[in-house]
Amino acid sequence: DTEVTQTPKHLVMGMTNKKSLKCEQHMGHRAMYWYKQKAKKPPELMFVYSYEKLSINESVPSRFSPECPNSSLLNLHLHALQPEDSALYLCASSQDTGGGREAFFGQGTRLTVV
Amino acid sequence: GESVGLHLPTLSVQEGDNSIINCAYSNSASDYFIWYKQESGKGPQFIIDIRSNMDKRQGQRVTVLLNKTVKHLSLQIAATQPGDSAVYFCAERVSNNDMRFGAGTRLTVKP
Repeated sequence: DTEVTQTPKHLVMGMTNKKSLKCEQHMGHRAMYWYKQKAKKPPELMFVYSYEKLSINESVPSRFSPECPNSSLLNLHLHALQPEDSALYLCASSQDTGGGREAFFGQGTRLTVV
Repeated sequence: GESVGLHLPTLSVQEGDNSIINCAYSNSASDYFIWYKQESGKGPQFIIDIRSNMDKRQGQRVTVLLNKTVKHLSLQIAATQPGDSAVYFCAERVSNNDMRFGAGTRLTVKP
């Protein structure tokens, strides 16, 4: 199984809503990532978890709150977002150390903030 | 800060021709580079990777070349097919889990 599964695929939320994006992998990877991708732009790194601990936070606003409940799951909690936060949110996972360090990506959640 | 970038934002080739997509990087600490393909509405898909102690790596129809002297990375696709049409990103791994993407090149294959 080389899949990273993200849910939901699409999400429309108001600026006062609270929602969560979910990501799951069963490849035994110990590093998991959240990226944000705007149209016609490259993915931008937001957060990295390594062995379930937050290792990188790219100065992301606190209205985005990541969570790694276990080694297979990664969540991104959203609260009081702005319309400019509308984007494709990508989850990825990779082996934390050793060879074969490529990251596998999910299909993303297309988020629209209204 | 240091970043990865691409020379060409778009590339159009004829079906059957070879394609070359270029990438310049500036972070000398990066020890691992990856090429990803992203089709519309999908997540990036791994194509090929190369470590900094190598200068060439070949896969099926794809070759990655790394020139550390000028900090340049390229992806060569042989006998380009319509299914190769996508946006291609290079990415560099600065440290173990810090992976950054370049600007991307849109490849269009004309039948």
